[in-house]
Amino acid sequence: QSVLTQPPSVSAAPGQKVTISCSGSSSNIGNNYVSWYQHVPGTAPKLLISDNNKRPSGIPDRFSGSKSGTSATLGITGLQTGDEADYYCGTWDNSLSAVVFGGGTKLTVL
Amino acid sequence: QVQLVESGGGVVQPGGSLKLSCAASGFTFSYYGMHWVRQAPGKGLEWVAFIQYDVNIKYYGDSVKGRFTVSRDNSKNTLYLQMNSLRVEDTAVYFCTACTVGGCSFWGQGTLVTVSS
Repeated sequence: QSVLTQPPSVSAAPGQKVTISCSGSSSNIGNNYVSWYQHVPGTAPKLLISDNNKRPSGIPDRFSGSKSGTSATLGITGLQTGDEADYYCGTWDNSLSAVVFGGGTKLTVL
Repeated sequence: QVQLVESGGGVVQPGGSLKLSCAASGFTFSYYGMHWVRQAPGKGLEWVAFIQYDVNIKYYGDSVKGRFTVSRDNSKNTLYLQMNSLRVEDTAVYFCTACTVGGCSFWGQGTLVTVSS
């Protein structure tokens, strides 16, 4: 059972938009930055969004992040087949003194 | 370019020990907090341990506390994870990653640890 809650899977057609939610609490998302990662099994995870909503250099603006209260959302527009991957949210938890990740969301581009 | 290269993975029996290394290059290693994150087969990412840039602060996940020790040598740009009393459930790909409070920018490709009799 992950501290942060994500939907197990989302899907959409190429060119469409999806959002992935990440729900937490005041001890984690509510008081810390949220980051998002794209992970294709067998490869290194890639940072997509830092500091709740900042895109690192090289990440296309199709990817966006937002945070409100104790929840965060990753948005992906103009879906491409290459976007198929597992997506994770992560943050620090002040009560646990630990990094916490969501359980991951598998994105399928139909 | 930025590189994080893990090594030291392998097959070990339950109760055994293993020491992982992560060699960093292409960025100022001593400026970053460093983490170990693992992914067990068919599972999601699980945070393992953190060590602050100046080695004064360390944190561990509950599942490894008391068994694993994280360390670093800033003069060698290298991160370590000493794993003792290994269990079957420690079987995973172990990633090292360089992070700020906002997120983890740099990741290694991972090294596989298999705990099996």
